[in-house]
Amino acid sequence: SQELEQSPQSLIVQEGKNLTINCTSSKTLYGLYWYKQKYGEGLIFLMMLQKGGEEKSHEKITAKLDEKKQQSSLHITASQPSHAGIYLCGALNAGGTSYGKLTFGQGTILTVHP
Amino acid sequence: DADVTQTPRNRITKTGKRIMLECSQTKGHDRMYWYRQDPGLGLRLIYYSFDVKDINKGEISDGYSVSRQAQAKFSLSLESAIPNQTALYFCATSDPWTGGTDTQYFGPGTRLTVL
Repeated sequence: SQELEQSPQSLIVQEGKNLTINCTSSKTLYGLYWYKQKYGEGLIFLMMLQKGGEEKSHEKITAKLDEKKQQSSLHITASQPSHAGIYLCGALNAGGTSYGKLTFGQGTILTVHP
Repeated sequence: DADVTQTPRNRITKTGKRIMLECSQTKGHDRMYWYRQDPGLGLRLIYYSFDVKDINKGEISDGYSVSRQAQAKFSLSLESAIPNQTALYFCATSDPWTGGTDTQYFGPGTRLTVL
């Protein structure tokens, strides 16, 4: 089965700093989703990447998919306290009995100090 | 109003009790999912349903059962709750036919504590 490893597991930054979160897959990525979660709350969909080399941006958050490296990165520019939370990546399983299901990474906890 | 709702939002129960968590959605999606979240483990899939007549086990279905009462409703039951089922439970929905991305949209979660 597919496994996702997120790094770092936690990150503390000062407001205004840039940061990157990585998500590495044990298998080829056919679809990669990024979600944000406020502590104890539901997951909010950020963006989805499907093609190698694809890059998407939403406000100050940019995600890229490196298909060859089986990796996706999430970059936040000029971080703000509102960016704090848990970021999770989810990979779409493409084959076998897991077809159509998502496997999630363990999450990266982001703290932004004002 | 929220597109995916879960009830209750918080529940404390005792070992051995039967518990039902409910999920309703107004998104018109055919696919629905139940996950649990534990610290450091991400989300793990318990059960999923691709339409009203389709129910499938996820990676951690032991000790759980589900019922898909209608397209909009998907319930998760713990027949005899045990302490290691203490977790945050999420319901999600998706539609593979709109946009082609099958993005899952999550409810606000139910925090369950089993004493």
